[in-house]
Amino acid sequence: ELKVEQNPLFLSMQEGKNYTIYCNYSTTSDRLYWYRQDPGKSLESLFVLLSNGAVKQEGRLMASLDTKARLSTLHITAAVHDLSATYFCAVPYFGAGSYQLTFGKGTKLSVIP
Amino acid sequence: SQTIHQWPATLVQPVGSPLSLECTVEGTSNPNLYWYRQAAGRGLQLLFYSVGIGQISSEVPQNLSASRPQDRQFILSSKKLLLSDSGFYLCAWSVLRSGNTIYFGEGSWLTVV
Repeated sequence: ELKVEQNPLFLSMQEGKNYTIYCNYSTTSDRLYWYRQDPGKSLESLFVLLSNGAVKQEGRLMASLDTKARLSTLHITAAVHDLSATYFCAVPYFGAGSYQLTFGKGTKLSVIP
Repeated sequence: SQTIHQWPATLVQPVGSPLSLECTVEGTSNPNLYWYRQAAGRGLQLLFYSVGIGQISSEVPQNLSASRPQDRQFILSSKKLLLSDSGFYLCAWSVLRSGNTIYFGEGSWLTVV
């Protein structure tokens, strides 16, 4: 059974600080996805990491994937309040002819002034 | 471009009443379709997925059911709601191509009272 674990689950950080969210998964996968969810809203795709060593950056967020370690990181640089949201990582698997994602429990990020 | 619509956005239903949530996808054909549920403050749970018309797979036993009467239409139903059915329901779609990102609809907030 595929398990996806994120840590921390809750993160409160000051504006301007840096931090990293970690996503570990239990079975082999060559890709991983990051999503953002604002309070009361749906999930928005942030990054698609498609190979070992993949690195994607957008604004103050940078995601990377190490498939050998089964680890992805989401690094936040110089946090701003607008980044406050819940961030999910997700790992795909093919089951019974269908393509599915298993999600971590999410990291709720609060950026405080 | 592809879009996904989900409705109703919000509903309050009494225990024992029926439920119908509907989702349609535009701009693509033969998508994989999904229903996820997110309980308050928790992660995402895959409820159903479908690889084609009339093909439904259930991930979790419950009093919910799903149907796919048309290629781009996915319906979540219940004959008798339980209090524990309350949550945020998300329809999603994907196609088997490079990236394989799963895209989410706007979500439906269900409160069972």
